[in-house]
Amino acid sequence: AQTVTQSQPEMSVQEAETVTLSCTYDTSESNYYLFWYKQPPSRQMILVIRQEAYKQQNATENRFSVNFQKAAKSFSLKISDSQLGDTAMYFCALNAGGTSYGKLTFGQGTILTVHP
Amino acid sequence: DVKVTQSSRYLVKRTGEKVFLECVQDMDHENMFWYRQDPGLGLRLIYFSYDVKMKEKGDIPEGYSVSREKKERFSLILESASTNQTSMYLCATRRDRVHGYTFGSGTRLTVV
Repeated sequence: AQTVTQSQPEMSVQEAETVTLSCTYDTSESNYYLFWYKQPPSRQMILVIRQEAYKQQNATENRFSVNFQKAAKSFSLKISDSQLGDTAMYFCALNAGGTSYGKLTFGQGTILTVHP
Repeated sequence: DVKVTQSSRYLVKRTGEKVFLECVQDMDHENMFWYRQDPGLGLRLIYFSYDVKMKEKGDIPEGYSVSREKKERFSLILESASTNQTSMYLCATRRDRVHGYTFGSGTRLTVV
């Protein structure tokens, strides 16, 4: 079985500052993918960033970057220069192979509020 | 861009009613999924489908069924709605493992 845990139900940050959202996961598979999704108040889930487990280099998308620690099974999201539009629920998700092929397992979510 | 359309944004139904939630995609993706989203629980997989007329149970299939008669349409059916099925329902489609999912905007279902 695969699990994803987000231990921070809520976080807040001031505009222009940096914030890090935590995620840990567990899987017995060696080939898997990790994702961060953003869900703003509009409810539309948006893919923020993805990481392939066999790539050691941390993924980066503009102001969003990850710290992927494979041995520790940790996958945190760093948002730099936070903007008001970053206010949303953020979900960490895991897609492992094997019998769970195709299935995305989600964490509980972290509500991020960016204050002006 | 792939577009995933859920027919209703808000829905209110009575206990015991049969409820249909519709999801349509405008790309030729084989994989489609239904999740429910509840506070503190994240998203949980109800059913998924890899092809037309094919379906597989997810983690919480009890009380639900699905139908996929055409590739672009994946329907979630609540056979006899109950109050514990009050939730946000999200449909998703997937091109392949690398690219993750594309989601619809969700249906917030209230069962009274």
